[in-house]
Amino acid sequence: AQTVTQSQPEMSVQEAETVTLSCTYDTSESDYYLFWYKQPPSRQMILVIRQEAYKQQNATENRFSVNFQKAAKSFSLKISDSQLGDAAMYFCAYRSTNPNSGGSNYKLTFGKGTLLTVNP
Amino acid sequence: DVKVTQSSRYLVKRTGEKVFLECVQDMDHENMFWYRQDPGLGLRLIYFSYDVKMKEKGDIPEGYSVSREKKERFSLILESASTNQTSMYLCASREGAGGNTIYFGEGSWLTVV
Repeated sequence: AQTVTQSQPEMSVQEAETVTLSCTYDTSESDYYLFWYKQPPSRQMILVIRQEAYKQQNATENRFSVNFQKAAKSFSLKISDSQLGDAAMYFCAYRSTNPNSGGSNYKLTFGKGTLLTVNP
Repeated sequence: DVKVTQSSRYLVKRTGEKVFLECVQDMDHENMFWYRQDPGLGLRLIYFSYDVKMKEKGDIPEGYSVSREKKERFSLILESASTNQTSMYLCASREGAGGNTIYFGEGSWLTVV
């Protein structure tokens, strides 16, 4: 079974600075998707960024970018020019693409989350 | 925009009560999910459904059941609520084959006393 590990329960960053959130995962599969989700205090979980494992290029969405290291099974999220609205719980997640994986290609497996605080 | 609506945001139930948590999505998605979120444990999958009347157990199905009679609605049922089921419950939906983004509802806070 796949596992996702976020080793930083909490992080803090000064407004306008850059912060990197870590995520590692364990899988024996070669093709999969990785995600970062953000959950602000309002509790609505929203997708921040997505990476397909077969793509070597790191995904980028405005101030958010990832450092995807497939061999190391690492998927970190970098937030540049941090804003107060970035304060939230961030979850890393994995999804298989293998239709024979017993349902794993349907579901997301989440890490335990990293609580990001942005200081003014 | 995709909308996933959980009808109850906050519920307080007594031990032994039967509890229904309702979830509706408005984008004709095939796949729907129920997750449970607890501090320090992240999100854990309870059940999912890949089509109407189809359901699969997730990682922690014990004490729960689900119902999906219509494509847009996915219900989580606690047959006999217990205090260890006090938690935040998140519903989500996703398009079928080829669809990657999972959309979440706002969550239902359940307290069992």
